[in-house]
Amino acid sequence: QKEVEQDPGPLSVPEGAIVSLNCTYSNSAFQYFMWYRQYSRKGPELLMYTYSSGNKEDGRFTAQVDKSSKYISLFIRDSQPSDSATYLCATFKAAGNKLTFGGGTRVLVKP
Amino acid sequence: SQTIHQWPATLVQPVGSPLSLECTVEGTSNPNLYWYRQAAGRGLQLLFYSVGIGQISSEVPQNLSASRPQDRQFILSSKKLLLSDSGFYLCAWSAGPTLRSEAFFGQGTRLTVV
Repeated sequence: QKEVEQDPGPLSVPEGAIVSLNCTYSNSAFQYFMWYRQYSRKGPELLMYTYSSGNKEDGRFTAQVDKSSKYISLFIRDSQPSDSATYLCATFKAAGNKLTFGGGTRVLVKP
Repeated sequence: SQTIHQWPATLVQPVGSPLSLECTVEGTSNPNLYWYRQAAGRGLQLLFYSVGIGQISSEVPQNLSASRPQDRQFILSSKKLLLSDSGFYLCAWSAGPTLRSEAFFGQGTRLTVV
């Protein structure tokens, strides 16, 4: 079993719709959670970073963490074609130096 | 500001040939350094990470090796490439063991072994 699971997609939505992305993890030692966005043929870039359970908003993006269920989510409101990318969740332990990534979900926002 | 350089961007190599990919970080000291591989349509697989000069941790057994000859230099190598080594290789760095150790990625090297 992978430590972080993520549906590979692709997830296709019309422009303006809400994009909902999810990850599950198996190790309760993971305490820090991130979402990265990766455009084709580029390196990933950090979108959101969160530690505690609950919601964190940044513009059109909302990250949600439920540590009791070991479940993390990313919501993108008012999606744009420029949001078309692969989204990767990542996590690490409190004292660790190693990020563990999910497999990524490919998102396609159609105009 | 910190920057990460990774080269080359694209590489086509024959089976059995050696490999050397280089990554350097500027604007920070004592970074954690990582090599990831991303197969087509798949997520990132951590290959190696390093917390200091000469300190390399390998995550998966494979045909590759890594070295860190200087604080901000990380090299990925192979003596003889296999077809299965094809993929997108990403170097990344993060700050030391702090609360906010997000990783910053280079632009990647697309390696095709033919």
